[in-house]
Amino acid sequence: EVQLLESGGGLVQPGGSLRLFCAASGITFSSYAMTWVRQAPGKGLEWVSAISGSGGGTYYADSVKGRFTISRDNSKNTLYLQMNNLRAEDTAVYYCASVEYWGQGTLVTVSS
Amino acid sequence: SYELTQPPSVSVSPGQTARITCSGDALPKKYAYWYQQKSGQAPVLVIYEDSKRPSGIPERFSGSSSGTMATLTISGAQVEDEADYYCYSTDSSGHHSVFGTGTKVTVL
Repeated sequence: EVQLLESGGGLVQPGGSLRLFCAASGITFSSYAMTWVRQAPGKGLEWVSAISGSGGGTYYADSVKGRFTISRDNSKNTLYLQMNNLRAEDTAVYYCASVEYWGQGTLVTVSS
Repeated sequence: SYELTQPPSVSVSPGQTARITCSGDALPKKYAYWYQQKSGQAPVLVIYEDSKRPSGIPERFSGSSSGTMATLTISGAQVEDEADYYCYSTDSSGHHSVFGTGTKVTVL
């Protein structure tokens, strides 16, 4: 059974930082490009960032470029999202996903 | 930035056919994917690469794409198909992905 388990969410002040984690099991992790997708409360899905299976290619939405960094450790079957200079508009549930498999999400709240 | 446009809502009676469109300039060259999201749940892939159905997805879900428009069809919609549906694709560079604006499907 494939599982993607996000963690690391929480409450952070504007301008602060947070690191999200996604632990994968049941798949050959290095074979999958992975993405982070977020959903603000009551809003639609927003693609945030993607990384190739090897980690050699990384891509970002304009809304997070320069503030967020995606990375992966294939030896640990783990995907990361380092989020810096957080803003209120970054408040959302953050999902780790491949095309077919999704985690249940972790909530990030940016508020003073 | 690249955008995918969907109708905000579609209503259909049980057993009827629901069609959800997704419009985007890069769709002639890029695959469309469709996700179903029920309230409080993570999205579920229902169609990939324009028209392929993952295992476990009912046959009443089908997809097609022509020109700048992709379409998700639910043939014989069921009450349990009530959900938000999102199309997903990439821009012409292939480096930036985007979700459609989302369509709320009501079956009643």
